[in-house]
Amino acid sequence: AQTVTQSQPEMSVQEAETVTLSCTYDTSESNYYLFWYKQPPSRQMILVIRQEAYKQQNATENRFSVNFQKAAKSFSLKISDSQLGDTAMYFCAFPGASGNQFYFGTGTSLTVIP
Amino acid sequence: NAGVTQTPKFQVLKTGQSMTLQCAQDMNHEYMSWYRQDPGMGLRLIHYSVGAGITDQGEVPNGYNVSRSTTEDFPLRLLSAAPSQTSVYFCASSAAGTGGRKLFFGSGTQLSVL
Repeated sequence: AQTVTQSQPEMSVQEAETVTLSCTYDTSESNYYLFWYKQPPSRQMILVIRQEAYKQQNATENRFSVNFQKAAKSFSLKISDSQLGDTAMYFCAFPGASGNQFYFGTGTSLTVIP
Repeated sequence: NAGVTQTPKFQVLKTGQSMTLQCAQDMNHEYMSWYRQDPGMGLRLIHYSVGAGITDQGEVPNGYNVSRSTTEDFPLRLLSAAPSQTSVYFCASSAAGTGGRKLFFGSGTQLSVL
């Protein structure tokens, strides 16, 4: 079975501080992709960052970076210099062995406090 | 750029009624999919399609039908609505390729079944 687990239902962070959201997954595949999506109150789903498993280097997109630990099957998202606009639900996602069946975690609701 | 268009945005049904959620994309994407989002459950895949005439089941297909007669459209049918189908529904599409492709989401349909 391929599953994605987010163990932090809710988190908060002070504006300008750094926060890390956790995600673990389970797969028997050796090469795959992992994603973080953001869902603000508007309900729109927005891709934040993507990591390819065979790449040793952690992906970075501006203030967003990941800590990818393949052996531990861990894929955490770090948000630096948090901004009010980062307030959203964040979902970790894994496309599965075929690449067609995306599995999403249950989400972490992040609140940035001014 | 329209992207992925879902209609309607809101719908209230009575138990036993049928309806079709519409999804259309103008990006010539081969892959299209439907998800439902429930509190504490994240997004779960209902059905997906990798091209016209090809559909397959996801994680939670029971109670839903799909067809893909054109590349652009991927409607989701509820034949006999049940209260358990109260949810927010998202359509998503992507280009063909590996599991590393980005999903483009519609804005969602809030469905209530009374």
